[in-house]
Amino acid sequence: SQTIHQWPATLVQPVGSPLSLECTVEGTSNPNLYWYRQAAGRGLQLLFYSVGIGQISSEVPQNLSASRPQDRQFILSSKKLLLSDSGFYLCAWSPPGRVARTYEQYFGPGTRLTVT
Amino acid sequence: AQSVTQLGSHVSVSEGALVLLRCNYSSSVPPYLFWYVQYPNQGLQLLLKYTSAATLVKGINGFEAEFKKSETSFHLTKPSAHMSDAAEYFCAVSDRKAGTGFQKLVFGTGTRLLVSP
Repeated sequence: SQTIHQWPATLVQPVGSPLSLECTVEGTSNPNLYWYRQAAGRGLQLLFYSVGIGQISSEVPQNLSASRPQDRQFILSSKKLLLSDSGFYLCAWSPPGRVARTYEQYFGPGTRLTVT
Repeated sequence: AQSVTQLGSHVSVSEGALVLLRCNYSSSVPPYLFWYVQYPNQGLQLLLKYTSAATLVKGINGFEAEFKKSETSFHLTKPSAHMSDAAEYFCAVSDRKAGTGFQKLVFGTGTRLLVSP
């Protein structure tokens, strides 16, 4: 069976500090990977998605970047955090393929980021 | 682009009462629809999905949803609420990204279900 991990679970960082959040998936190959941010009362905002190693698509311009150095590893980064980067960050995966619309996404446990 | 609207940011019910969480979608093509549940400080868990087979979809934990094309709705129901159902619920629709054809999910803003004894 497939498992998705995220760490750290919680993080408190000062404004201007760097960020690195990690997501790994087990039990599948070449998954599609996603990063979302969830702010209170605003639902889920898709930040990045990836269909393969080194292939990153950004959904919205922001202070964040993503990388996929290995098939089942997805990293969310920032060089200098802003207060507005606070939120709950969720990683998700779905089976590979661009056109299969029936594939739901499976979510990790999330990382709570507080920028002070 | 596809979108979903969840009416009511909060819904309160008594334990044992009917749960009804509303979701309306906007889609130019036959949609694929999903309901997810999120417990505090956890990720999202899939409750059920509609993929153009039966219009009445049964999910986990006694939840079900009915796809009504004429009303562009996909409301989530449960006959009898339990205290453990208190959580946030998200409706989502599959959307094709222009230019790439990549399929992604578009989520509603969520409905928090409160269950009182």
